[in-house]
Amino acid sequence: DAGVIQSPRHEVTEMGQEVTLRCKPISGHNSLFWYRQTMMRGLELLIYFNNNVPIDDSGMPEDRFSAKMPNASFSTLKIQPSEPRDSAVYFCASSSQGYEQYFGPGTRLTVT
Amino acid sequence: QKEVEQNSGPLSVPEGAIASLNCTYSDRGSQSFFWYRQYSGKSPELIMSIYSNGDKEDGRFTAQLNKASQYVSLLIRDSQPSDSATYLCAVLSGGYQKVTFGTGTKLQVIP
Repeated sequence: DAGVIQSPRHEVTEMGQEVTLRCKPISGHNSLFWYRQTMMRGLELLIYFNNNVPIDDSGMPEDRFSAKMPNASFSTLKIQPSEPRDSAVYFCASSSQGYEQYFGPGTRLTVT
Repeated sequence: QKEVEQNSGPLSVPEGAIASLNCTYSDRGSQSFFWYRQYSGKSPELIMSIYSNGDKEDGRFTAQLNKASQYVSLLIRDSQPSDSATYLCAVLSGGYQKVTFGTGTKLQVIP
């Protein structure tokens, strides 16, 4: 299996621009998770989906963040408008039956 | 009180020694426990999972769980410089598979 795939791997954008991060989970996994990692706050869960349905989005920082999972093999995390404090590494992870999570390589976002 | 607590370290051990990493959690209803290893600039990698009290061994790694004390640990025997990384403890509790991560312990294995 190819594992969890994320794109882009690096993103540099200017404040105010829209940013879209993409994730393809491992085939057959029914849960998908978006995390953000910074030195200050560690690994934070933003939102997770079960069978394509958002279950808990309490970790989404504010309305500028949105996530979708239109089908079992694709999810997006969008930030609009982006701000410098959004700079972080964003990870997508997937799991089967909610136990062991497997992480993608991450997207390093820099907002200038 | 944080839901999952770890000492941030760094924990320094000489090559060949046993490294002991500890984690405590606050939710008594927690069901499943995981250890992830994260090398600098890389994504977390699952190395151990444990679901019941006691020890679980996998090669040089042993996970220990004590639900009464709300404590989980990871032992690394015969530590190697390649084990130098940050180790994240993760706890699954509640419904719908929500996993909470600790902030991680940085391990340094000195040759």
